[in-house]
Amino acid sequence: DAGVIQSPRHEVTEMGQEVTLRCKPISGHNSLFWYRQTMMRGLELLIYFNNNVPIDDSGMPEDRFSAKMPNASFSTLKIQPSEPRDSAVYFCASSLATSLSRDTQYFGPGTRLTVL
Amino acid sequence: QKEVEQDPGPLSVPEGAIVSLNCTYSNSAFQYFMWYRQYSRKGPELLMYTYSSGNKEDGRFTAQVDKSSKYISLFIRDSQPSDSATYLCAMPQYSGAGSYQLTFGKGTKLSVIP
Repeated sequence: DAGVIQSPRHEVTEMGQEVTLRCKPISGHNSLFWYRQTMMRGLELLIYFNNNVPIDDSGMPEDRFSAKMPNASFSTLKIQPSEPRDSAVYFCASSLATSLSRDTQYFGPGTRLTVL
Repeated sequence: QKEVEQDPGPLSVPEGAIVSLNCTYSNSAFQYFMWYRQYSRKGPELLMYTYSSGNKEDGRFTAQVDKSSKYISLFIRDSQPSDSATYLCAMPQYSGAGSYQLTFGKGTKLSVIP
């Protein structure tokens, strides 16, 4: 299995530009999570989907952030317009949610975003 | 107060040392406890999980939970340079609609010096 795939791996853009991050979860997984990681705040959950439906987007910092999951094998996180404080590593993770609380999330390699 | 507190370090130890990594939490609803390991420029990966209070061993790694104190630990015996990574504690919580949400500590960066 290829694991969770994210693209691009690195993105450098200028303030005000639109940024789109992409994620392909592990086949068969029904939950998908978007996280942001910074030195100051650690790993923060932005939004997660279950069976392609957004369940909780309370972690999305502002309306500039939006996420979609049009099908079970693809999700996007969009920032429009981007700002320097959005610079971080963005991770996508997927899991097969079960009735057990030890749900394991599998993380992608991350997208390192730099907004100048 | 954050739900999960973890000392970010960095922690530097000589090869062969015993390492102790710790987290405290405030939410009594947490029932399962996980440790993720994150190598530099990689995504976190699950290292161990445990449910009950007490110890769980997996090779050189031991996870310990004290629910009465809301304190969890990860011990690494005979530490190796390959153990150099950031270790994050995480606690899953059922959030409805068949999904579980993880609350992570900020992670402790460990360096094992040869």
